[in-house]
Amino acid sequence: DTGVSQDPRHKITKRGQNVTFRCDPISEHNRLYWYRQTLGQGPEFLTYFQNEAQLEKSRLLSDRFSAERPKGSFSTLEIQRTEQGDSAMYLCASSGFAGVGSPLHFGNGTRLTVT
Amino acid sequence: KQEVTQIPAALSVPEGENLVLNCSFTDSAIYNLQWFRQDPGKGLTSLLLIQSSQREQTSGRLNASLDKSSGRSTLYIAASQPGDSATYLCAGPHGSSNTGKLIFGQGTTLQVKP
Repeated sequence: DTGVSQDPRHKITKRGQNVTFRCDPISEHNRLYWYRQTLGQGPEFLTYFQNEAQLEKSRLLSDRFSAERPKGSFSTLEIQRTEQGDSAMYLCASSGFAGVGSPLHFGNGTRLTVT
Repeated sequence: KQEVTQIPAALSVPEGENLVLNCSFTDSAIYNLQWFRQDPGKGLTSLLLIQSSQREQTSGRLNASLDKSSGRSTLYIAASQPGDSATYLCAGPHGSSNTGKLIFGQGTTLQVKP
């Protein structure tokens, strides 16, 4: 168990550019989540996958955002035409089957700065 | 709609003190409640998860309680140490769902002074 891995750790981009982040969950976990956290706030839910199926998306996830988990393993989160308001920490988490409620295991996040 | 609140936003205590962090939630049908720790610039580390059928969970110097009827959870830290300095967040699932779609409080930033 190597934990949840996210890449890159930091990304600085200019407004209007596209960015893509990657998340590798704990290998035996079938649920994967994306959250966004701004300074001084708790994380906010964006979307989640069970295996390769994207089961829910938040209203926060505008049409500029897209997430995939093509083989039910790693996931990518893409932001198109970035805006300064997209600057935040993007956190990925995974959990096992939540039959009785499994704790979420978070990665160290990708900090995005849009200039 | 579930709302989670943590008060105070910040807390400073001398080393060795016992302390309690508070978390309140609005939907008593909460499925479980989880406490996390976050160090600056890092992700979240799960500390304790309390199922709705439980009243408390313990791990080392940490004890978390859950009172669904009053909509409150507390995290008790015994004999605090400077290494406990971090932001502590509580979170519960949306409604009675058992997914990891969590609603987080804003966190309490703890500073333990040597």
